[in-house]
Amino acid sequence: AQSVSQHNHHVILSEAASLELGCNYSYGGTVNLFWYVQYPGQHLQLLLKYFSGDPLVKGIKGFEAEFIKSKFSFNLRKPSVQWSDTAEYFCAALPWRSSGSARQLTFGSGTQLTVLP
Amino acid sequence: GAVVSQHPSWVICKSGTSVKIECRSLDFQATTMFWYRQFPKQSLMLMATSNEGSKATYEQGVEKDKFLINHASLTLSTLTVTSAHPEDSSFYICSTERTGGTEAFFGQGTRLTVV
Repeated sequence: AQSVSQHNHHVILSEAASLELGCNYSYGGTVNLFWYVQYPGQHLQLLLKYFSGDPLVKGIKGFEAEFIKSKFSFNLRKPSVQWSDTAEYFCAALPWRSSGSARQLTFGSGTQLTVLP
Repeated sequence: GAVVSQHPSWVICKSGTSVKIECRSLDFQATTMFWYRQFPKQSLMLMATSNEGSKATYEQGVEKDKFLINHASLTLSTLTVTSAHPEDSSFYICSTERTGGTEAFFGQGTRLTVV
């Protein structure tokens, strides 16, 4: 069965600190990988996604993630966090299938990031 | 703007009553919608897959008679929590994606509190 693990449950950083959130997935086949962010009281929003090609993916708001196939990892990074980055971050995996079949995301448990001003 | 609209955003109900949550796809026809549940400090867990015009597919451990799903049109799926109990209090989120698409779109979620 597919699973996604996020090992950091709560991360507290000061503004301008660098961020790295871990994500590991378990799946035997090809997967598409995502990072979502949920700001307090708001929708889940897509930060970035990896499908193929360059394993270093750049997303919105200065976030990036690196897909390391040998480690089954897709860690999220940001060189300098801001107070407005305070939110919950979810890693998710989607098994690749040909179009036409329904697919559902498998989410990690989430990481609450608190950035202190 | 929002691609998926979920209503209501929050609801408080008494034990034993039923609550209906609506999920609308605003920009495209959604033959499939997914319903997730999120417990505090935990991840989103898939509850069921809603298919337009047919019965929903429930994940193991989810009571189909308690969580009724109706997907009567290509833009609307509803989740009804029947005879709600305090342990049903949770955050419920729907999502969908375009056929052949690569991104899931989520509703804003519904915070259900059963008292």
